[in-house]
Amino acid sequence: AQKVTQAQTEISVVEKEDVTLDCVYETRDTTYYLFWYKQPPSGELVFLIRRNSFDEQNEISGRYSWNFQKSTSSFNFTITASQVVDSAVYFCALSEETDSWGKLQFGAGTQVVVTP
Amino acid sequence: NAGVTQTPKFQVLKTGQSMTLQCAQDMNHEYMSWYRQDPGMGLRLIHYSVGAGITDQGEVPNGYNVSRSTTEDFPLRLLSAAPSQTSVYFCASSSDKFWDEQYFGPGTRLTVT
Repeated sequence: AQKVTQAQTEISVVEKEDVTLDCVYETRDTTYYLFWYKQPPSGELVFLIRRNSFDEQNEISGRYSWNFQKSTSSFNFTITASQVVDSAVYFCALSEETDSWGKLQFGAGTQVVVTP
Repeated sequence: NAGVTQTPKFQVLKTGQSMTLQCAQDMNHEYMSWYRQDPGMGLRLIHYSVGAGITDQGEVPNGYNVSRSTTEDFPLRLLSAAPSQTSVYFCASSSDKFWDEQYFGPGTRLTVT
């Protein structure tokens, strides 16, 4: 069963609009980590952020912000004032303590298209 | 440091051919893994290794073999390629902490005709 769900397949925005990517996860572990990775058109996977299950403090880093809510099992990601360079596929991933050595379980990804 | 390197970048095989995708890392990471990426499915774990001499199956291991004779190298072998194995393959490494970020190689785009 899919443990990480990214329901949005593609989001298209015009430059300077905000875009929020949804991620819903499923786990029985009390200790787990959530990740966001970015895959630009060049194809490499770029690590963006890691959050552990005990830290629900939301974070802002430049134009990026993350909203982690255990009550709804969600770890959403927002790009403020989007730019063309933000065009990429964004993956949410889960690592569970009981699942041995950090096996990442990825969502299907959300394609973000930012047009000028 | 080169990080995680993969060769080749592109490969075209005919059905039934065999080949090995190479992966190496220079970060002295214990944990290495192989993922395949298919449209609409994210990345799925093929095989992983928690150290030299230790490997295990991931979510989609059929048709692939691995071995880990050194900490640095983790090759992925396709014994008899099938069109269903057309995909982009990523190798990754991380420390032995489940919370550590994984460092990914640049990927190998494989087409099986």
